Amino acid sequence: EVQLVESGGTLVQPGESLRLSCAASGFIFSDYWMTWVRQAPGKGLEWLASINEDGGTKIYVGSVKGRFTISRDNAKNSLYLQMNNLRADDTAIYYCARDSPQSYYEDWGQGTLVTVSS
Amino acid sequence: DIVMTQSPLSLPVTPGEPASISCRSSQSLLHRNGNNYLDWYLQKPGQSPQLLIYFGSNRASGVPDRFSGSGSRTDFTLKISRVEADDVGFYFCMQSLHTPKTFGQGTKVEI
Repeated sequence: EVQLVESGGTLVQPGESLRLSCAASGFIFSDYWMTWVRQAPGKGLEWLASINEDGGTKIYVGSVKGRFTISRDNAKNSLYLQMNNLRADDTAIYYCARDSPQSYYEDWGQGTLVTVSS
Repeated sequence: DIVMTQSPLSLPVTPGEPASISCRSSQSLLHRNGNNYLDWYLQKPGQSPQLLIYFGSNRASGVPDRFSGSGSRTDFTLKISRVEADDVGFYFCMQSLHTPKTFGQGTKVEI
């Protein structure tokens, strides 16, 4: 059974940094692209970033490019999202998801809540 | 970025009755391989999104056959043939052809 478990979400002040983690199990982690998606309170879904199987290719949505960095450690079956210079509008539930070869997301974590507030 | 527009944004439904949600893309989602890169997700209250439909019309594993997807290029529709109480939640379409992938605003389906 595929499992994705996010962690690291918490309350931070504007301008601070935070690293989210996603622990994967139930599949060969190094065989899949992985993605971060977020959902602001009461809002829709926003695709943030994806990383390829070996970590050599990373793509971002424009709103986080230069502030957020996606990475992975295949030896630890883990995905990360380093978030710098956080703003109030970064407040959201952050989900990690496993990419299928057909580009859809069949497996999602339960999400971790990041709150940016002074 | 590709803009995905869903309608309606709120859909009151009656159990046993059909329901339909539209999703329009600002650019064609038809790949030269013949697939439309349009997916549908349902987010039930308090849960993560779950995949319903991929490539516009293919039901994901375990999805009841009362759910169906149709459409091509820029216009897509999700239909529920007979709504059940368990179908309430937010329905999102997502285009996965162009980077960045983008979602529709979501349609709230409630009894």
